[in-house]
Amino acid sequence: AQSVSQHNHHVILSEAASLELGCNYSYGGTVNLFWYVQYPGQHLQLLLKYFSGDPLVKGIKGFEAEFIKSKFSFNLRKPSVQWSDTAEYFCAVNAGYNQGGKLIFGQGTELSVKP
Amino acid sequence: DADVTQTPRNRITKTGKRIMLECSQTKGHDRMYWYRQDPGLGLRLIYYSFDVKDINKGEISDGYSVSRQAQAKFSLSLESAIPNQTALYFCATRSGVSYNEQFFGPGTRLTVL
Repeated sequence: AQSVSQHNHHVILSEAASLELGCNYSYGGTVNLFWYVQYPGQHLQLLLKYFSGDPLVKGIKGFEAEFIKSKFSFNLRKPSVQWSDTAEYFCAVNAGYNQGGKLIFGQGTELSVKP
Repeated sequence: DADVTQTPRNRITKTGKRIMLECSQTKGHDRMYWYRQDPGLGLRLIYYSFDVKDINKGEISDGYSVSRQAQAKFSLSLESAIPNQTALYFCATRSGVSYNEQFFGPGTRLTVL
């Protein structure tokens, strides 16, 4: 079965520190990859997505992610985090043409940024 | 106005009660989804629908049922609520035209006592 694994459950950083959140998936075929963010008390919002082409994807608010097919990874990065980046981050995979657009989510990583 | 709305936003109920959570969307999407979110587990798919006549079970459909009353409305029911159904429930929509992201509603926080 397809699955998504996020390595870090809770990350604590100081402002201006660099961020990298790991995401690995298990599926050998073509995948569409997403990172969603959930700010405290809010619904999920799309940060960025990868469908094809350049494996380095840029999203909103200075976030980017790199798709490495050989490693089944789609790690999220930001060079310098801000207090306002405090949120929970979810990696998700839409795997397979006939999957009806279903998303398989990772467990989530809670990011706390200290001012 | 929000594109995907959910009602109620918060609900406390008792074991054994029947509960309905409602989702409406103005995005004109044909695909709709219900997820539940639990701490440390991410979001898990309960049911999804491609259109009014096409309903499919997700990975955790036991104890839940759904109704797609119209393209814009997708309701989730707990026929007899139990405490381990306490969770945050999200509705989402997606266009079926191309591989696109899902758009999420604000969530319903359900507590079953």
